[in-house]
Amino acid sequence: DAKTTQPPSMDCAEGRAANLPCNHSTISGNEYVYWYRQIHSQGPQYIIHGLKNNETNEMASLIITEDRKSSTLILPHATLRDTAVYYCIVGNNDMRFGAGTRLTVKP
Amino acid sequence: GAGVSQSPSNKVTEKGKDVELRCDPISGHTALYWYRQSLGQGLEFLIYFQGNSAPDKSGLPSDRFSAERTGGSVSTLTIQRTQQEDSAVYLCASSHSGRLDEQFFGPGTRLTVL
Repeated sequence: DAKTTQPPSMDCAEGRAANLPCNHSTISGNEYVYWYRQIHSQGPQYIIHGLKNNETNEMASLIITEDRKSSTLILPHATLRDTAVYYCIVGNNDMRFGAGTRLTVKP
Repeated sequence: GAGVSQSPSNKVTEKGKDVELRCDPISGHTALYWYRQSLGQGLEFLIYFQGNSAPDKSGLPSDRFSAERTGGSVSTLTIQRTQQEDSAVYLCASSHSGRLDEQFFGPGTRLTVL
């Protein structure tokens, strides 16, 4: 069973920041938070992961709350090509994908 | 370098037939995963191979499903006596070493059981 809760869908205006929330209240101390996305008709693509500290790479930023019970994936300047299903996953020896959030970036 | 490849890209079969789906992971990746994705649904974990260790088969939905990984590289997912509910996209992924590593996904095989 997935250990995360995500809203089923979100919209974002092109050029604005997209903030995708994820709740993982049962996360244990050694479990990482991972984000993947799946663009229509393609396989999932890794975005970012973190344990405790906030992380940033060329694609996104990951903000993890101090109690680690929730996190937010930030796409700083969303483009139409960022329209996809975004999966938040937690695990330390296993990763199970949930239903994700369908993000639609609108012009 | 080359990514994960899967074949065939599409497979249409009749109910009751057996099918084999192939996955070629990225060279040097020791971990290999199979997932299933039904239309409009999230990914469903099926099986995980790591090196020479016994595979984690905990996600296989029934004994009609099996998978093997020969020589630590290519993997074959076999579905025996296919049912209509087996229709889905079957995705393969590989990672460099373990389950915490970034997974690289193939394009998937779309299976349709008539």
